[in-house]
This record gives sequence, structure tokens and C-alpha cells, in this order.
Amino acid sequence: AQSVAQPEDQVNVAEGNPLTVKCTYSVSGNPYLFWYVQYPNRGLQFLLKYITGDNLVKGSYGFEAEFNKSQTSFHLKKPSALVSDSALYFCAVRDEPSDYKLSFGAGTTVTVRA
Amino acid sequence: DAGVIQSPRHEVTEMGQEVTLRCKPISGHNSLFWYRQTMMRGLELLIYFNNNVPIDDSGMPEDRFSAKMPNASFSTLKIQPSEPRDSAVYFCASSLGLAGVNEQYFGPGTRLTVT
Repeated sequence: AQSVAQPEDQVNVAEGNPLTVKCTYSVSGNPYLFWYVQYPNRGLQFLLKYITGDNLVKGSYGFEAEFNKSQTSFHLKKPSALVSDSALYFCAVRDEPSDYKLSFGAGTTVTVRA
Repeated sequence: DAGVIQSPRHEVTEMGQEVTLRCKPISGHNSLFWYRQTMMRGLELLIYFNNNVPIDDSGMPEDRFSAKMPNASFSTLKIQPSEPRDSAVYFCASSLGLAGVNEQYFGPGTRLTVT
């Protein structure tokens, strides 16, 4: 079965500094990878996805992610973090052979201090 | 677009009572998902509908849980009887086409507390 791991429960950064949220995956076929963000008392919001193509994927709110096949990683990045980026971030992978089911990571809480 | 709408936003009920959660997906979306989120188990898929037909209900924890989608604009998740361990946040999400390729749009969730 496919799975993702988010090795860090929490990430703390200062506003204006680069932000990285780590994700590694395990799949038997081609990986379909997603990042979602959850703000307090809200549902998950889609940030970006990798299906095929360029390894660097750009998404919403200035976020990007780099797909690295050799390291089986899909880390989320933002060059300059904002206090408003403080939230819970989830990495997800399509759970093959299903064509609809996603396996979500445990989530990483990001805190950006002013 | 109003997004995915869920009601109620909060529900507090006593053990043994019936609970019904409601969801209105985004118009035109043909896939609908019910998830449960807890601290212990994270985000779990309960059931998946495609074109109003239940495709996968393997995540429904017990016979106490049931879900329906009578039409393309409405779905319900029912728990009868409810138990304290059902306390969680329940999300409905919808998607256009295949969720394994296309993004899912989540509702704001229903926070259920069973005492």
C-alpha cells in the first residue's frame, strides 16, 4: 500500500525566513502527490499537486514543492514565510490501485513567529 | 461559488442518540467523500460516492454508520446509535472527476461531541 510520512510534527520559523515542510512517500507505481493546508476550525485546502512533468511544482499562496524521485520526497517550500502561513499541513499520495483514494500524512504544524 | 456546505457546524448529543450530518457538494462535482478527523487516527476516509453511487464504504467503522446520496446536491452521514468514541470532526469533500488526480474541496466540517 502507498503511504506518506511527515517526519516533523512541528516546524517553527521566523517571519521572512524560508519555510520547508518535509514529506517522503512510498508507492509501487507512479506517485500522485498532493499538499493540503488546514487552518484552525476549517476544512483542508488544496495547495498543489504533482502528477507528471516538471519536478518543481508551483501552487497557491506562494508555495512550491519539489518532487525528488531518487529520494522519494516531495517537500513543500516557501521562500519567505508569513505569520498567516501558520497552519497544519498535510501531504497525501494516491492510494493505488484505487483511482480516488488518498492516503494522508499525520500532518505538520507550522508556526511562523513575527 | 459557496464551496462545500456542511451542517450543522457543531453537534453535541448524548450517547445512544441518532446523529445526522449533512453535506452539499460544489455544483457540478461528481465525486463526494466523507472523512473523519481525530487526533489519534488523523484523517480517515469513511465513504466515497461517484455520480451519487457509493463506491467504497470500507472505511465506515460499524453498522451504526450509514451514508446516503439521494441526488447530486445532497448527502447525509448518519450515526445510530452514537457513542462517545464517535466524537470527531467530520468532513465532506467533493471533486470533479477522479480525486486521485484532481483536488478535493473540503467543507468546514462538523464537530461532533457525544457525551
